[in-house]
Amino acid sequence: DTAVSQTPKYLVTQMGNDKSIKCEQNLGHDTMYWYKQDSKKFLKIMFSYNNKELIINETVPNRFSPKSPDKAHLNLHINSLELGDSAVYFCASSPQAGGITEAFFGQGTRLTVV
Amino acid sequence: GENVEQHPSTLSVQEGDSAVIKCTYSDSASNYFPWYKQELGKRPQLIIDIRSNVGEKKDQRIAVTLNKTAKHFSLHITETQPEDSAVYFCAASRGSYIPTFGRGTSLIVHP
Repeated sequence: DTAVSQTPKYLVTQMGNDKSIKCEQNLGHDTMYWYKQDSKKFLKIMFSYNNKELIINETVPNRFSPKSPDKAHLNLHINSLELGDSAVYFCASSPQAGGITEAFFGQGTRLTVV
Repeated sequence: GENVEQHPSTLSVQEGDSAVIKCTYSDSASNYFPWYKQELGKRPQLIIDIRSNVGEKKDQRIAVTLNKTAKHFSLHITETQPEDSAVYFCAASRGSYIPTFGRGTSLIVHP
């Protein structure tokens, strides 16, 4: 019973394509996040959703659009993929908005744009 | 906003030695400091955390210390083992703010 699960685990696609990554958490948490981890391992926050409302967007290109149908799901849609989008994308959740409690991460989606 | 600096970026030790990773933060209102371990190809997972009302916390071979005056906190791993090899991230946060992560330390423990 995985707490935070994201699919797919690997995604290889061509430049210019549109793709989506799905994330689901069964922990009953109010807040979900998307992080991008580049080749240097830096974890960069992209989005945070609290109870289906966007509460932060860290200057991410508008080709990236998060969608949260309910508080257990936060999907990431990417339009017109570019080579620089290649990275590992992590979904995470925490019990409440903000960072005063542990964040639980999904297993990551390795996106490769060719 | 919060800025977290983490050093060193790479740390290589012999099995059995101790390892220390240090982080500094800029926002004096930050009150929660977690440490995450990310093994190769895996997700980051919390290994220990400390809140601002505590100066030190231990859990078996790992400990974290916090100096609020100097705004720095450290992770200490004693009697390192090869399975401690991973990337370690510190983070700092407060209230409803999203945690700010350090850039990570790659710890290599040589058998």
